[in-house]
Amino acid sequence: SAVISQKPSRDICQRGTSLTIQCQVDSQVTMMFWYRQQPGQSLTLIATANQGSEATYESGFVIDKFPISRPNLTFSTLTVSNMSPEDSSIYLCSVDTGNSGNTIYFGEGSWLTVV
Amino acid sequence: KQEVTQIPAALSVPEGENLVLNCSFTDSAIYNLQWFRQDPGKGLTSLLLIQSSQREQTSGRLNASLDKSSGRSTLYIAASQPGDSATYLCAVWNRDDKIIFGKGTRLHILP
Repeated sequence: SAVISQKPSRDICQRGTSLTIQCQVDSQVTMMFWYRQQPGQSLTLIATANQGSEATYESGFVIDKFPISRPNLTFSTLTVSNMSPEDSSIYLCSVDTGNSGNTIYFGEGSWLTVV
Repeated sequence: KQEVTQIPAALSVPEGENLVLNCSFTDSAIYNLQWFRQDPGKGLTSLLLIQSSQREQTSGRLNASLDKSSGRSTLYIAASQPGDSATYLCAVWNRDDKIIFGKGTRLHILP
């Protein structure tokens, strides 16, 4: 298994500002992912955080809005830039340890409210 | 394009009952299927992972089945308890390494 810590757990942000979410894993993992879960919706993949190279973004998500860093195999950050109320969501970090048949694990999430 | 559907969207049952949550997917070419639990405002907790070669997995009071040919999975919860109240999410892992989630079933166990 993997223990994933996300910070902050919650925040209220002003429109137009940016916030960086941190994800720390207790073991080295190859694959790290960032998801968004808007109110009442399921999870949507934002991007795959690649160690040592640029993240791979899904359709509808761009680097300028959601810059991602992955400096090593245990840590990643997601920045939500120039926030608007539509960005109010839970943002979740997840990892694939490659063990246990590719079970994926999630952090507790970061609940952002943009006012 | 893979689509994952969970039925029902919400379910309330008295404590002690056995229940079944359903998940269907449109493309049967999957690697894995995983069931998660999500408590309000929280992240996801993995419950059971079924690999494509498997038909079911069990953990305690939970049993998940997979029928790839029909594109269906079920999560069976035996002897339900109030602590089982949560949203249950089904996710399929496509062969293009994309993980697609259903919208979940909100389960409420009545004491």
